[in-house]
Amino acid sequence: GAGVSQSPSNKVTEKGKDVELRCDPISGHTALYWYRQSLGQGLEFLIYFQGNSAPDKSGLPSDRFSAERTGGSVSTLTIQRTQQEDSAVYLCASSLSGAGNTEAFFGQGTRLTVV
Amino acid sequence: AQSVTQLGSHVSVSEGALVLLRCNYSSSVPPYLFWYVQYPNQGLQLLLKYTSAATLVKGINGFEAEFKKSETSFHLTKPSAHMSDAAEYFCAVSDDTGRRALTFGSGTRLQVQP
Repeated sequence: GAGVSQSPSNKVTEKGKDVELRCDPISGHTALYWYRQSLGQGLEFLIYFQGNSAPDKSGLPSDRFSAERTGGSVSTLTIQRTQQEDSAVYLCASSLSGAGNTEAFFGQGTRLTVV
Repeated sequence: AQSVTQLGSHVSVSEGALVLLRCNYSSSVPPYLFWYVQYPNQGLQLLLKYTSAATLVKGINGFEAEFKKSETSFHLTKPSAHMSDAAEYFCAVSDDTGRRALTFGSGTRLQVQP
């Protein structure tokens, strides 16, 4: 596609429910990142996928969070047993390579509200 | 470990005035530095990046930034603010060691007064 696509754009869920957030990166981009943007915490790195390498999960805040990337393309971020503090905008980004100097292209994000 | 500090969570300027948004970084290796802009309910868009070539970097929409190693700074400037520049601006750092994701500053919200 022309840009990074995220769905849904908005999600309201009840505390304790599981949610799945989807990211469709730019075609041909080997690197994919998930970030979380919340008031008071700014933009936090969550997880990084690069090609077929094992993902860097060092930013995931708890074991309730997991992500996978199928076929080197689409990625799904799953949050189990959601809590109110999980409310945030979840941003996905992709880049052509995993090199530190390459531009990351961001999707418009999924706004998650846990009630 | 890398970090970025953006001084001033809110900056207000008059239309036509100079825009200066401050960013200081910390990195144990030569850094790559970025400025991103975020308009309401949008993702982040790259304004410009420093990747060890020219220290004065020109970006989109008339913005530029200068890398100053001695001051560990990468401040963003624009000579004349437009109303359309009102947005949130994020400075970010990365490198080619360890985690290759961006580390962001806390952001600066720019208001442009008519």
